[in-house]
Amino acid sequence: QVQLVQSGAEVKKPGSSVKVSCKASGGTFSSYAIGWVRQAPGQGLEWMGEFISVFGAAKYTQKFQDRLTITADESSTTSYMELSSLTYADTAIYYCARGFEGGGSYLESWGQGTLVIVSS
Amino acid sequence: EIVMTQSPATLSMSPGERATLSCRASQSVSSNLAWYQQKPGQAPRLLIYDTSTRATGIPARFSGSGSGTDFTLTINSLQSEDVAVYYCQQYNNWPPLTFGGGTKVEIK
Repeated sequence: QVQLVQSGAEVKKPGSSVKVSCKASGGTFSSYAIGWVRQAPGQGLEWMGEFISVFGAAKYTQKFQDRLTITADESSTTSYMELSSLTYADTAIYYCARGFEGGGSYLESWGQGTLVIVSS
Repeated sequence: EIVMTQSPATLSMSPGERATLSCRASQSVSSNLAWYQQKPGQAPRLLIYDTSTRATGIPARFSGSGSGTDFTLTINSLQSEDVAVYYCQQYNNWPPLTFGGGTKVEIK
């Protein structure tokens, strides 16, 4: 079973960027995708994008296309999600989750979540 | 983008009853549908994938059915530990992967 451990909570100012990490253990890192899902306070789940190791590339939802970067470092089995030009609406819990190697699948295991607060 | 709609928004049931949660897709997703359970303060947990296959360690009282655009998650003999929000997610047409808005299950 793949386990995912995320970095700690962040407080950021509007207009800045945040970078959240997700370290995977178990399984073969290059054989699965790592997706990122966010949840605003009291709201539902919103898929942002994923890094697909077998392609060495990320796919994003159009909403975040211009300010989201998802990467992965196979040597440290860590994925990173960087969101720029933060606004108050980006205050949310950000989750990483494991999907299957070709991407576009259900999400089998999840990180514990990282709270990002955007505040002046 | 495929829109997923869940109903009802809230379900209030007594222990031991059967809970039926619905999920509808704006277009066919074949059988590429998953269900997740999210308890308060926790990350989501995969319950069901491929419409009806239980994930590892999920009790048999959870079952899924449906195809195309209409899907159901059934919780037989509801227990207090099943209090949570349940989300459906399609993975037939992506990006993006899309989730329903969730159904909150409460115990009377």
